[in-house]
Amino acid sequence: DIQMTQSPSSLSASVGDRVTITCRASQRITASLNWYQQKPGKAPELLMYAASSLQSGVPPRFSGSGSGTDFTLTISSLQPEDFATYYCQQSYIIPWTFGQGTKVELK
Amino acid sequence: EVQLVESGGGLVQPGGSLRLSCAASGFSFSDYSMSWVRQAPGKGLEWVSYINGSSSVIYYADSVRGRFTISRDNAKNSLYLQMNSLRVEDTAVYYCVRGLGVAIRFDPWGQGTQATVSS
Repeated sequence: DIQMTQSPSSLSASVGDRVTITCRASQRITASLNWYQQKPGKAPELLMYAASSLQSGVPPRFSGSGSGTDFTLTISSLQPEDFATYYCQQSYIIPWTFGQGTKVELK
Repeated sequence: EVQLVESGGGLVQPGGSLRLSCAASGFSFSDYSMSWVRQAPGKGLEWVSYINGSSSVIYYADSVRGRFTISRDNAKNSLYLQMNSLRVEDTAVYYCVRGLGVAIRFDPWGQGTQATVSS
């Protein structure tokens, strides 16, 4: 199975900060990488797909990049509604696997 | 509006069974693959099972293969997960998710249904 490792596991940031989350795959997955946001007590929601494509309705302050094994999710200016846990997911090969999550907390 | 609503969760003893259901609306159900994804308490996300639109292709995670069975009824716009021989480690919120694209992305997600396996 492909292992997905996110870093950091958690971070503290302020409104307006630029935030970057990294996701590393244990083998090459081309650009088959998706990002999800989960707020407490809620289901995850799709943010980005194919590494850099913004899901419809997601604010453009979110962006994604990467290919191969290393990927990043960037929030250009953190907003109050962005405090949540973020997960990456590889869609390259079954079993589809997720990173362990990165919790973005208010500093 | 695309909507997925799960039901069927509950408390069951180890070795027992549960059948989860997911009612889909707002899209042409038979045109899309569907999956189940679970989340153990305080933990991350784990993909469990996949079924394509015609039920001709089915996949399972190793952790549930041989114990869980995914199925769908396109006439009823419904997805199911029959869970047998349940273990304590199967305790989780189970989400019904629609699959999009060749390189599958999950969107949307249902609200989830809690399955608890405990004696």
